[in-house]
Amino acid sequence: ETGVTQTPRHLVMGMTNKKSLKCEQHLGHNAMYWYKQSAKKPLELMFVYSLEERVENNSVPSRFSPECPNSSHLFLHLHTLQPEDSALYLCASSQVPDREKEKLFFGSGTQLSVL
Amino acid sequence: QKEVEQDPGPLSVPEGAIVSLNCTYSNSAFQYFMWYRQYSRKGPELLMYTYSSGNKEDGRFTAQVDKSSKYISLFIRDSQPSDSATYLCAIYTGNQFYFGTGTSLTVIP
Repeated sequence: ETGVTQTPRHLVMGMTNKKSLKCEQHLGHNAMYWYKQSAKKPLELMFVYSLEERVENNSVPSRFSPECPNSSHLFLHLHTLQPEDSALYLCASSQVPDREKEKLFFGSGTQLSVL
Repeated sequence: QKEVEQDPGPLSVPEGAIVSLNCTYSNSAFQYFMWYRQYSRKGPELLMYTYSSGNKEDGRFTAQVDKSSKYISLFIRDSQPSDSATYLCAIYTGNQFYFGTGTSLTVIP
């Protein structure tokens, strides 16, 4: 396995379900990110884990909960989602701090549909 | 005002055409500029990056930055059907990334 791997690729869930998205990076990076991609909108940063510190976008609802057990693995726990949460959820990694920090490497994403 | 503005298209061109994709940005202090390519059902992949004004060339792709106008461009020469994708411009400020909305490109054989 190389790069950034995300599972599952597709997820359909009801508003009362609990599910988790998984991300694993094989690049030796020390920072991992969750982004939300909706149609005709810029990528929205949700959470960052960098050097074991968590930074979050304060506008992200509490029904999204990240977990980063180590520098290679990242989870996004989902519960009681709303239909407007349907989107492509992208995981990314980078190496900080140095010039390479400006390079994000993305996974293929999880296409989430909330019914 | 958004940090990065990008025309969403869609853009449709015949094979072999020269494609020009553009973004404007708001803050003259921004230093690092990137272009990502995103195929359908895939994540974005880094295509080009630069941290200065001027041109950077890689094969059929040229990234151009004009800091005086706060304008960045990606040119694709001899476009191929395999170039059909969404292209995202991105800017790194030193501690945060800002992305454009993406321009959808279709190259018709």
